[in-house]
Amino acid sequence: NAGVTQTPKFQVLKTGQSMTLQCAQDMNHNSMYWYRQDPGMGLRLIYYSASEGTTDKGEVPNGYNVSRLNKREFSLRLESAAPSQTSVYFCASATSGGLVGRFHTQYFGPGTRLTVL
Amino acid sequence: KQEVTQIPAALSVPEGENLVLNCSFTDSAIYNLQWFRQDPGKGLTSLLLIQSSQREQTSGRLNASLDKSSGRSTLYIAASQPGDSATYLCAVGGMNRDDKIIFGKGTRLHILP
Repeated sequence: NAGVTQTPKFQVLKTGQSMTLQCAQDMNHNSMYWYRQDPGMGLRLIYYSASEGTTDKGEVPNGYNVSRLNKREFSLRLESAAPSQTSVYFCASATSGGLVGRFHTQYFGPGTRLTVL
Repeated sequence: KQEVTQIPAALSVPEGENLVLNCSFTDSAIYNLQWFRQDPGKGLTSLLLIQSSQREQTSGRLNASLDKSSGRSTLYIAASQPGDSATYLCAVGGMNRDDKIIFGKGTRLHILP
């Protein structure tokens, strides 16, 4: 039972490049989340998916797109990376109460450390 | 807008002491509150989840309490050990459609051997 997995673990991009962060969970959870964690800012929700085929914006969605490919996978795409997107990105999953705030126990992946030069 | 605060930002205590970590929130209309632990360079590990209708949850040496009316939660750690050294974060989820999940910035705990 792998839980929540994320790839890659580390990535360095140049400004303007694009990339996709991958996330998969094997716990049959309906809800999946993308967060970023920055020093002094804490964890902030980027996007949320309550179920396969649905996505909603979180606190800081600008500059990102997401795809809920199926129940297991939720990807985060940076179309044109900027230095302000340098951060640690975490994916999480949970059973869901429906609305984004009505989460149940969240399980986190190990994170992707992204640097944009 | 919900705000979640954790004070102090850092705490050092000798091994064996009991300690309390604090989490306060400004909007009492929460769905639940979750405490996490984060080790350096790692993801978050869930410790305890308290539903809004509950007053406390316990797991081993950990006890989390919730007082919605005062906008506070505490995480009590009994008989602290060096392995408890980590950053502890709380997160609250809201009841309503526009509510999100809001995290505190965490308390960095160091247990002195």
